[in-house]
Amino acid sequence: GAGVSQSPSNKVTEKGKDVELRCDPISGHTALYWYRQSLGQGLEFLIYFQGNSAPDKSGLPSDRFSAERTGGSVSTLTIQRTQQEDSAVYLCASSPWTSGGPETQYFGPGTRLLVL
Amino acid sequence: AQSVTQLGSHVSVSEGALVLLRCNYSSSVPPYLFWYVQYPNQGLQLLLKYTSAATLVKGINGFEAEFKKSETSFHLTKPSAHMSDAAEYFCAVSERGNNRLAFGKGNQVVVIP
Repeated sequence: GAGVSQSPSNKVTEKGKDVELRCDPISGHTALYWYRQSLGQGLEFLIYFQGNSAPDKSGLPSDRFSAERTGGSVSTLTIQRTQQEDSAVYLCASSPWTSGGPETQYFGPGTRLLVL
Repeated sequence: AQSVTQLGSHVSVSEGALVLLRCNYSSSVPPYLFWYVQYPNQGLQLLLKYTSAATLVKGINGFEAEFKKSETSFHLTKPSAHMSDAAEYFCAVSERGNNRLAFGKGNQVVVIP
């Protein structure tokens, strides 16, 4: 079946511009996660959505970052006024709900963001 | 706060030799532990996970890992390396009731023919 898809695969933008990154999770998965992978910081958690619950935003690095999930499916990560330090690969993952843990997270191929 | 430590960013192993990647965790409660593999320009793929059902966990591609509470470790091994094992490997931890993954820095594995 189809896995997690992300678009665009690559994005080049100028400092100060806003960008939107899209994630389509695996159908039926109730949980959706965003992570960031950069040379300096490694893999970092950003935000987590579970069903209709309030998202866990504890990993967002600044108020320039926001994310939404519409209809419990597709998610968009928005970065406003991009800075060069935002350059990284942004990974999305989804997981099913299980009565016992842990849930396996399935990752998309990522969006490579370069801020000039 | 939960965290994992992976030492040695680059690991070279000869084809046919043992692969050993070390992971030590820090968690205030018994954690869930994972090993993921990342091939170039791809997302992360789960190799195996520890759920407390058994301390020796077998995964895909011949990999296995053993949970040792006394050593707070979850080292990954494979008896015989293949060229196709060249990739980056990440250890990760999540606490029960918290689905966020905290990743180690990763090990870039190079397989020498």
